[in-house]
Amino acid sequence: GNSVTQMEGPVTLSEEAFLTINCTYTATGYPSLFWYVQYPGEGLQLLLKATKADDKGSNKGFEATYRKETTSFHLEKGSVQVSDSAVYFCALSDYSGNTPLVFGKGTRLSVIA
Amino acid sequence: GAGVSQSPSNKVTEKGKDVELRCDPISGHTALYWYRQSLGQGLEFLIYFQGNSAPDKSGLPSDRFSAERTGGSVSTLTIQRTQQEDSAVYLCASSLRLAGGQEQYFGPGTRLTVT
Repeated sequence: GNSVTQMEGPVTLSEEAFLTINCTYTATGYPSLFWYVQYPGEGLQLLLKATKADDKGSNKGFEATYRKETTSFHLEKGSVQVSDSAVYFCALSDYSGNTPLVFGKGTRLSVIA
Repeated sequence: GAGVSQSPSNKVTEKGKDVELRCDPISGHTALYWYRQSLGQGLEFLIYFQGNSAPDKSGLPSDRFSAERTGGSVSTLTIQRTQQEDSAVYLCASSLRLAGGQEQYFGPGTRLTVT
């Protein structure tokens, strides 16, 4: 079945540090890949997505590239801010749409000033 | 426009009681999903509805859990004879349709505590 594995946290960084959160997946066919973010006290919201190989999703300074050869979708940001502190979830959905989102377990990021 | 809403936001119940959790999806969204978020378990899929098709119940953890969606809009998740392991945040999401690249919009969740 489909699955997502992401690096376990928590991750603590200083402001302006470089961020990488690793995500790899197992899926049949050609899934769509997502990063969702959950800020403290708020609901899940889509951060970025990519629907085919080599696509790069980007938003709010975050980027992730769909790498079919390594089955990865790592999240990166060049300079994190305190306001980026949140839990980040990598997820996939089957391209056919016959399955709901499959999530990784989430990575808690804390950015300190 | 209005997002996905859920009620109640918090629910405390005694073990063995039944609970109903409500989800109001974004108007016009044909696909509706229920997930459960618990410590150490991450987010797990429970059930989804797509239009008038039969729901996919493959994620429901036991027959104590059921859900319905009336009129293609509002959905209710019912947990019968609640157990302490049912304590979690129950999230509802909707999307325009059930398709791979569709963004799912999440509600704020219902935090269920079973004492």
